[in-house]
Amino acid sequence: EDQVTQSPEALRLQEGESSSLNCSYTVSGLRGLFWYRQDPGKGPEFLFTLYSAGEEKEKERLKATLTKKESFLHITAPKPEDSATYLCAVYQLTGGGNKLTFGTGTQLKVEL
Amino acid sequence: DADVTQTPRNRITKTGKRIMLECSQTKGHDRMYWYRQDPGLGLQLIYYSFDVKDINKGEISDGYSVSRQAQAKFSLSLESAIPNQTALYFCATSDFGHRDIRGQFFGPGTRLTVL
Repeated sequence: EDQVTQSPEALRLQEGESSSLNCSYTVSGLRGLFWYRQDPGKGPEFLFTLYSAGEEKEKERLKATLTKKESFLHITAPKPEDSATYLCAVYQLTGGGNKLTFGTGTQLKVEL
Repeated sequence: DADVTQTPRNRITKTGKRIMLECSQTKGHDRMYWYRQDPGLGLQLIYYSFDVKDINKGEISDGYSVSRQAQAKFSLSLESAIPNQTALYFCATSDFGHRDIRGQFFGPGTRLTVL
């Protein structure tokens, strides 16, 4: 069964305390992995697409990496405005067509 | 102006009522999607449409129907609302091509409560 699992479910950091969020997947026919940021009461906001193992993408304090089994979202020296829920989603090609499966997210809280 | 808009933003209704959620986009994308989000379950795909004449069921289509009125408009209907359809509903668009895979663009969401 195709699965996308994010950990931890929740993470509390002090401002400046770097950490990583994990997205592990067991899917076949991977065509891409997406990371999104979601603020409370709002729609997810696209951050990155990673296509193949070894690929890395960066944006400000965020860096996403991909292996054959998981992806990490590294947050360097986070600020309170980085507080949000971070979602990953796996895009795969199946016999029935393309499929996008979301994880349940990691809720990040960055405190002063 | 927002690229993907949803109306209404909040709605409270009663069991058995018919309700329609509307989505409009100005991104020029052919592909549109409806998702629901429940705490602890992540985003679940209800229906998706790759163009005006193409409608496909997602993972959880029972109890829902959709209409693609134009390239820019995609509506979700609950024919007879029930309490377990209480959730946050998102419309999304994408321009997924055969080789160029980009993320979906989401609307602000509609919070639906069925009493």
